[in-house]
Amino acid sequence: GAGVSQTPSNKVTEKGKYVELRCDPISGHTALYWYRQSLGQGPEFLIYFQGTGAADDSGLPNDRFFAVRPEGSVSTLKIQRTERGDSAVYLCASSLTVGSAETQYFGPGTRLLVL
Amino acid sequence: QKEVEQNSGPLSVPEGAIASLNCTYSDRGSQSFFWYRQYSGKSPELIMFIYSNGDKEDGRFTAQLNKASQYVSLLIRDSQPSDSATYLCAVHPRDSSYKLIFGSGTRLLVRP
Repeated sequence: GAGVSQTPSNKVTEKGKYVELRCDPISGHTALYWYRQSLGQGPEFLIYFQGTGAADDSGLPNDRFFAVRPEGSVSTLKIQRTERGDSAVYLCASSLTVGSAETQYFGPGTRLLVL
Repeated sequence: QKEVEQNSGPLSVPEGAIASLNCTYSDRGSQSFFWYRQYSGKSPELIMFIYSNGDKEDGRFTAQLNKASQYVSLLIRDSQPSDSATYLCAVHPRDSSYKLIFGSGTRLLVRP
């Protein structure tokens, strides 16, 4: 079946602009996660959704970052007033449910470059 | 101290050899441990997870967990050039069954 999809695959923007990154999880997966991966580092947790609600947004770096999942499926990560330090690969993952042995399936990521 | 630590490598092994990748973690209450493989420019894909002390085998891969020493390792037998990738260790911290804390990864190079 189809995996996690993310659009766009690449995004180049200028400092101060607003960007939206989209994630379409695997059909039927109730849990959705956003991570950020900088060069040479492992993914860093940003936010977790269970259904429509953000159950844990403790990883969002500041209030310029916001994410929604209005219908419990597609999610959008929104970044306001982008800064050069926001440049990274933003990964979305989904899992069927939540649990200590539950597999998170990652999408291909959106590579964000802030000039 | 980072929560999950890995040697960045590269770890270079000849084709057919055993590659041994190690990971240590700081939270003694961590419950589940995962190994992801990430090819350059691609997303992480799960290889194995383990949550009980001891060994868990899946094909050419064996995960080993030692909670007393707070380390988890991944052995790859009969390494192939196609195994060349970055291997990420990840853990669920004690207070979360959903958040994954990743190490920085170890780059493995299998020489033909």
